[in-house]
Amino acid sequence: EAGVAQSPRYKIIEKRQSVAFWCNPISGHATLYWYQQILGQGPKLLIQFQNNGVVDDSQLPKDRFSAERLKGVDSTLKIQPAKLEDSAVYLCASSLEINQPQHFGDGTRLSIL
Amino acid sequence: SQKIEQNSEALNIQEGKTATLTCNYTNYSPAYLQWYRQDPGRGPVFLLLIRENEKEKRKERLKVTFDTTLKQSLFHITASQPADSATYLCALSTNAGKSTFGDGTTLTVKP
Repeated sequence: EAGVAQSPRYKIIEKRQSVAFWCNPISGHATLYWYQQILGQGPKLLIQFQNNGVVDDSQLPKDRFSAERLKGVDSTLKIQPAKLEDSAVYLCASSLEINQPQHFGDGTRLSIL
Repeated sequence: SQKIEQNSEALNIQEGKTATLTCNYTNYSPAYLQWYRQDPGRGPVFLLLIRENEKEKRKERLKVTFDTTLKQSLFHITASQPADSATYLCALSTNAGKSTFGDGTTLTVKP
């Protein structure tokens, strides 16, 4: 089966600019996750979707981050405006259902100048 | 607050030996625990999942234990190989599927 697809792989922007990341999960997977991974740390959950509804977004900085999952398939994560501290790898993962193993994409590496 | 601690330092072992990685947690009652492998520049890859009512799980050369009294999981790789060199992450999850990851342990297996 095809894995989780993410794009772009790399993005460099200046602070205060906006950026968007795209994720296409494994076909048929109901649960989709966005994580932020800072160098040397483990992934930190930003938002979790079940189909097209939000299950958890308690750690999403809502003043600048937004995410949507239209039609319960693809998802986009947006940052506006970006801050220097947002430099990280943004990982998307999907699972067949909640409480099932997660399958990760290779992430988008974001650098803020 | 919730805290997950994995081996504080990198782990270096000789090929053929057993690698043992630890994952300790506090202020958390996970429904299940997962172990992932992460190579540089890649996303984590799922290895094993163990639920709160299970004591041990095995898969080929991998074994994971889960002690909810000690609040600890141990992850073993037997007959280790240089190809096992990577960062290993443990993740604790609630029944709602919300997962909290540790910061990982970097394992190096020397030939």
